[in-house]
Amino acid sequence: AQTVTQSQPEMSVQEAETVTLSCTYDTSENNYYLFWYKQPPSRQMILVIRQEAYKQQNATENRFSVNFQKAAKSFSLKISDSQLGDTAMYFCAFMNLNFGNEKLTFGTGTRLTIIP
Amino acid sequence: DVKVTQSSRYLVKRTGEKVFLECVQDMDHENMFWYRQDPGLGLRLIYFSYDVKMKEKGDIPEGYSVSREKKERFSLILESASTNQTSMYLCASRPAGLGTGELFFGEGSRLTVL
Repeated sequence: AQTVTQSQPEMSVQEAETVTLSCTYDTSENNYYLFWYKQPPSRQMILVIRQEAYKQQNATENRFSVNFQKAAKSFSLKISDSQLGDTAMYFCAFMNLNFGNEKLTFGTGTRLTIIP
Repeated sequence: DVKVTQSSRYLVKRTGEKVFLECVQDMDHENMFWYRQDPGLGLRLIYFSYDVKMKEKGDIPEGYSVSREKKERFSLILESASTNQTSMYLCASRPAGLGTGELFFGEGSRLTVL
């Protein structure tokens, strides 16, 4: 079974600063996706960024980028130039790509607060 | 845009009551999921469905059942609600196949069992 660990329950950072959220995972599989999801207060969860395990290049989406270290099973999210709208719960998630088992396993989340 | 709609944002029920949580998606997705979200525990999968009338247990199915009579609708049923089922319930959907793997979530249903 896969496990996903987020060791930072809460973080806060000043607006415009850069923040990095940590995520580690444990799997014996070689073919998988990794995700970061964002859940703003009282709003629905949305996908922030996705990484395919077979790709060595780190995924980037505007101010959001990841540091994917496959051997270390580490998948951190970096938010640059943080904005007030980045305040949210962030969940790291793992998806096994073996057919018939494409469920997502989520971490426990990191509550990020951007301070004005 | 994909829309996943959960019928109730907030519910208050009494112990022993039967509770129905409804979820409807409008993008013809084959796969639908019910998660439970609790502080410090993240999201845990209760049940999922790959197709109409098909269902599979997730990691914490005890005390829950589901129904998928139509492709767009996936219902979560608490046969006899208990206080430890007080939680936020999230419905999600995605297309069949691996694709991007992205899940599309509803806004959640916060259930309080007294």
